[in-house]
Amino acid sequence: DIHMTQSPPALSAFVGDRVTITCRASQTINNWLAWYQQKPGKAPKVLIYKASSLESGAPSRFSGSGFGTEFTLTISSLDPDDSAIYYCQQYNTFPYTFGQGTKLEI
Amino acid sequence: QIQLLQSGPGLVKPSQTLSLTCAISGDSVSSLTAAWNWIRQSPSRGLEWLGRTYYMSTWYTNYADSVRSRIIINPDTSKNQFSLQLNSVTPEDTAVYYCARQTDSFDPWGQGTLVIVSS
Repeated sequence: DIHMTQSPPALSAFVGDRVTITCRASQTINNWLAWYQQKPGKAPKVLIYKASSLESGAPSRFSGSGFGTEFTLTISSLDPDDSAIYYCQQYNTFPYTFGQGTKLEI
Repeated sequence: QIQLLQSGPGLVKPSQTLSLTCAISGDSVSSLTAAWNWIRQSPSRGLEWLGRTYYMSTWYTNYADSVRSRIIINPDTSKNQFSLQLNSVTPEDTAVYYCARQTDSFDPWGQGTLVIVSS
């Protein structure tokens, strides 16, 4: 199975800050990577697909980059609504696998 | 707007079968451009993909090896839904179960069903 490692596990930042979350795959996944945001009691919601494509309806302050094994999710200017857990997920190879999550506190 | 609505029991006894259904609105389970997935989430295992079904002239399924011997995902074209059946459950199968549509990433997701395996 492809192991997805996210860092940091948690971070605390302020409104208006720029933050970056990293996701590393244990083997190449090309650009078959998605980023999800999950709030308490809710299902995950996709923000980014194919590593860098912004999902329709997702705020433009979210962006993704990377290819192969190293990926990043950047939030350009934090909003209070961004407090959540963020997950990366690879869909290059079965079984699809998720990172362990990054808890963002604002 | 595509919506997925899950249904099924929240309590299952050990060794019995977990059964959940995901009803689709705004799309077709027979769509040639979508796959229909089941994912679960627990504190111990995180988010875990279980499997999917999709139609491409015939029906196909893909399953995670971790549950392959115990899982069945079936489409129901008459009701435009798909189901999850997980046999011989143990307390380790306690989790929130989600269905999700996949055309690329997973979107949308069902509302989630907490399933507790306990006698």
